[in-house]
Amino acid sequence: DTAVSQTPKYLVTQMGNDKSIKCEQNLGHDTMYWYKQDSKKFLKIMFSYNNKELIINETVPNRFSPKSPDKAHLNLHINSLELGDSAVYFCASSPENSYEQYFGPGTRLTVT
Amino acid sequence: AQSVTQPDIHITVSEGASLELRCNYSYGATPYLFWYVQSPGQGLQLLLKYFSGDTLVQGIKGCEAEFKRRQSSFNLRKPSVHWSDAAEYFCAVAPLTGSNYKLTFGKGTLLTVNP
Repeated sequence: DTAVSQTPKYLVTQMGNDKSIKCEQNLGHDTMYWYKQDSKKFLKIMFSYNNKELIINETVPNRFSPKSPDKAHLNLHINSLELGDSAVYFCASSPENSYEQYFGPGTRLTVT
Repeated sequence: AQSVTQPDIHITVSEGASLELRCNYSYGATPYLFWYVQSPGQGLQLLLKYFSGDTLVQGIKGCEAEFKRRQSSFNLRKPSVHWSDAAEYFCAVAPLTGSNYKLTFGKGTLLTVNP
C-alpha cells in the first residue's frame, strides 16, 4: 500500500539512551516532516526536509538530529533521552509546493 | 503573533446529531486553512482544505467547512454524526507565502459520540 510508514510503533527506553525512529514514504513526495505530539495532544512541527535539504528547523534541542538519506526517508535520531521527550512522534510527507501533508501512524516514545 | 484557536476541548454528541467544531485564527492575512482528523492510535488524515474561492468547502467523510473572513473562522460541520466519527479533530493554518509549507495546528477538539 502507498503510505507513510514509521518504525517502531512503540519505543520504551531509559533516560540517557540514544534512539532512532525511521520514516519512509512511497508516495513520491519531495518534502518530509517530523512532528511531536505531547500528552495534551498538542502537535508541533520539529523539522522539514525538501529533497534531502533541511528547510524547517524549529526550536528543538540539539539532541534531536534528523537525517534524510534520500527523499523517501527521513529518520530522527535522539541522543541522551530525557523524560520530557516522551511523546508521540509523527512523520509526514507532502508533494513539492503543497500544503497537503500525509501523516504516518506515529511512534509512541516513552522514556523512563 | 499567528495563532489558531479551537475553543472546545471536548464535545459530546449523540449519534445521528449534527456537529459543528469551531476554529478561529489570528493572522495578518487570510491563511490557508485545513481540518485534520486523528482517530485513536492513528496518524492525522486531511478532511478538507480552503485556499481561495468558494467559502464553503466539501471534504471527505461527509464533512464541510465554511470560511468566514470577518469572523476569522473556519468551522467544521457534519450533518449527521456516526459512532466512527469519534476522534480528535485539528484545525490548522499556513500563511500564503514564505512559510516553507509549515502548518500551525490548534490544540484539537476531542469528539465523543454517544449511542
